[in-house]
Amino acid sequence: QKEVEQNSGPLSVPEGAIASLNCTYSDRGSQSFFWYRQYSGKSPELIMSIYSNGDKEDGRFTAQLNKASQYVSLLIRDSQPSDSATYLCAGGRQKVTFGIGTKLQVIP
Amino acid sequence: EAEVAQSPRYKITEKSQAVAFWCDPISGHATLYWYRQILGQGPELLVQFQDESVVDDSQLPKDRFSAERLKGVDSTLKIQPAELGDSAMYLCASSLSRGGFEETQYFGPGTRLLVL
Repeated sequence: QKEVEQNSGPLSVPEGAIASLNCTYSDRGSQSFFWYRQYSGKSPELIMSIYSNGDKEDGRFTAQLNKASQYVSLLIRDSQPSDSATYLCAGGRQKVTFGIGTKLQVIP
Repeated sequence: EAEVAQSPRYKITEKSQAVAFWCDPISGHATLYWYRQILGQGPELLVQFQDESVVDDSQLPKDRFSAERLKGVDSTLKIQPAELGDSAMYLCASSLSRGGFEETQYFGPGTRLLVL
């Protein structure tokens, strides 16, 4: 079982809609989680980090962490074509492990 | 804005040749990471340094890969000999202090390697 699991997608949403990206993790002791965005051929760039149960908002992005259910999610409100990218979930206990990423396509 | 620097950005080599990548982390960052990312996969940690010391190299194929960070600043990752399966993006990242689970990692632009 992979430490961090994501659906590879693609997830297609219309412009202006809410995109919901999900991630589960296997190590219950994991304490910190990160969402990175990666455009094709580019390196990952940090969107948000989250450490506590609940929601964390930053502009159009909201990260949600549920430690009891061992999942992390990222919501993107008012999705734009420029949000089309692969979104990597990362987390861990002793070290950070990355998921395979979910490809998001925002359709104009 | 401080950035992680990597060079070269692209490298084409023939199998059995040697190849080297260079990384300069954000100034003041003590921890440096090398990742390999195969197309369609997430980054996989190859080696982690704290200052000049190796913290984790459990996934580094030591028969052909080597990494060093002699003065605790910039780092070099070497592959010798390169194999076709080494074709991937090699990413360098850095974080501020001891590289714990809570630290944000900042990535460089990566080096795309193609082995023919």
